[in-house]
Amino acid sequence: AQKITQTQPGMFVQEKEAVTLDCTYDTSDPSYGLFWYKQPSSGEMIFLIYQGSYDQQNATEGRYSLNFQKARKSANLVISASQLGDSAMYFCAMRHQSDSNYQLIWGAGTKLIIKP
Amino acid sequence: GAGVSQSPRYKVAKRGQDVALRCDPISGHVSLFWYQQALGQGPEFLTYFQNEAQLDKSGLPSDRFFAERPEGSVSTLKIQRTQQEDSAVYLCASSWGQGRANEQFFGPGTRLTVL
Repeated sequence: AQKITQTQPGMFVQEKEAVTLDCTYDTSDPSYGLFWYKQPSSGEMIFLIYQGSYDQQNATEGRYSLNFQKARKSANLVISASQLGDSAMYFCAMRHQSDSNYQLIWGAGTKLIIKP
Repeated sequence: GAGVSQSPRYKVAKRGQDVALRCDPISGHVSLFWYQQALGQGPEFLTYFQNEAQLDKSGLPSDRFFAERPEGSVSTLKIQRTQQEDSAVYLCASSWGQGRANEQFFGPGTRLTVL
């Protein structure tokens, strides 16, 4: 069964520190994509970063990077130099490329709070 | 440019009432998704449209839920005879196509509360 696991329900991090949010996934499909989304209190899902299962390098987008360890089925999000505005819910999601509809399968999320 | 919009942002319904939730996707986006997000949880897939065709409705929790996208742009999610367990945020997302890294753009959601 396809599943996304985020083991950290909540995290407190000091401003300007780096933070790693954990995500593990379970799939038997060789072709898939992994996404991270941020959901602030306003409710809108904001796309952060994408990693394809066949990508050779870890994805990076500004302060966001994805620590992709395929053999361990792990796709942790790293936020460097955290800012107060990073406080939000963070969701890891997976999409199978072989599915005909490309629906996203989501983890339960991690609530990140940045302390000044 | 305009993003995905949803209306209403908040809806309070009495148990047994019918509700209709609207989604305006980004212009030109072929794919449209509906997700249900219960409080404190991740979203769960409800249904998917490619243009006007509803290709997957496997996530709809019961036959009280119905979605349509008649002209391939605006979509409506209708819930008949609402129950308290229907209380959730309903998220709509659209994407350009079905490409490998095709990002889904989300609307702000409609928070439905059933009393």
